[in-house]
Amino acid sequence: ILNVEQSPQSLHVQEGDSTNFTCSFPSSNFYALHWYRWETAKSPEALFVMTLNGDEKKKGRISATLNTKEGYSYLYIKGSQPEDSATYLCASISSGSARQLTFGSGTQLTVLP
Amino acid sequence: KAGVTQTPRYLIKTRGQQVTLSCSPISGHRSVSWYQQTPGQGLQFLFEYFSETQRNKGNFPGRFSGRQFSNSRSEMNVSTLELGDSALYLCASSLVGDRAYNEQFFGPGTRLTVL
Repeated sequence: ILNVEQSPQSLHVQEGDSTNFTCSFPSSNFYALHWYRWETAKSPEALFVMTLNGDEKKKGRISATLNTKEGYSYLYIKGSQPEDSATYLCASISSGSARQLTFGSGTQLTVLP
Repeated sequence: KAGVTQTPRYLIKTRGQQVTLSCSPISGHRSVSWYQQTPGQGLQFLFEYFSETQRNKGNFPGRFSGRQFSNSRSEMNVSTLELGDSALYLCASSLVGDRAYNEQFFGPGTRLTVL
């Protein structure tokens, strides 16, 4: 995988449902993975920064896991609420001189009341 | 603490003109990065400045340039505007240190429309 890919592109769930989406990134020379939440008319907001294989982070009802060997991360939302509606972006960084964030196109989540 | 601010929020220009966008980072943040978002695209990295020096540059033509001042404020300039430059331009600041581990704090963005 040369780019960062996110799936699905969009997702509609009912309030109370749990959901998850995927971020795939280059596993070679992996350095760090960031997750951001971007609500409409607001600025992207950091959720997690993950670096270690097997790492799992949690913030309230949202959690994320990281597999650096196979190059993927999952984001889970438990008991989705309408306020969780947003675009969720992941971004990876590879080691080397060009340590820049490469973003995926995002997963747009809509939670229906 | 005040967040990242960007000015102006909206801008309309015509092809061939140039534009300057401004970004003020969170107090104490010395790294400022710029991103472009166009419809259907993810955030594309433009460049990063740290201590008044461009530390990293994305794959954009030389018409895109930037600078950082001693107070860490940053400006981005686009010369000879093209229709395809219409986009949301976001800046983000982060703390000193290995930025791979530092979350980015984003501003509200400048929406540039090129007619």
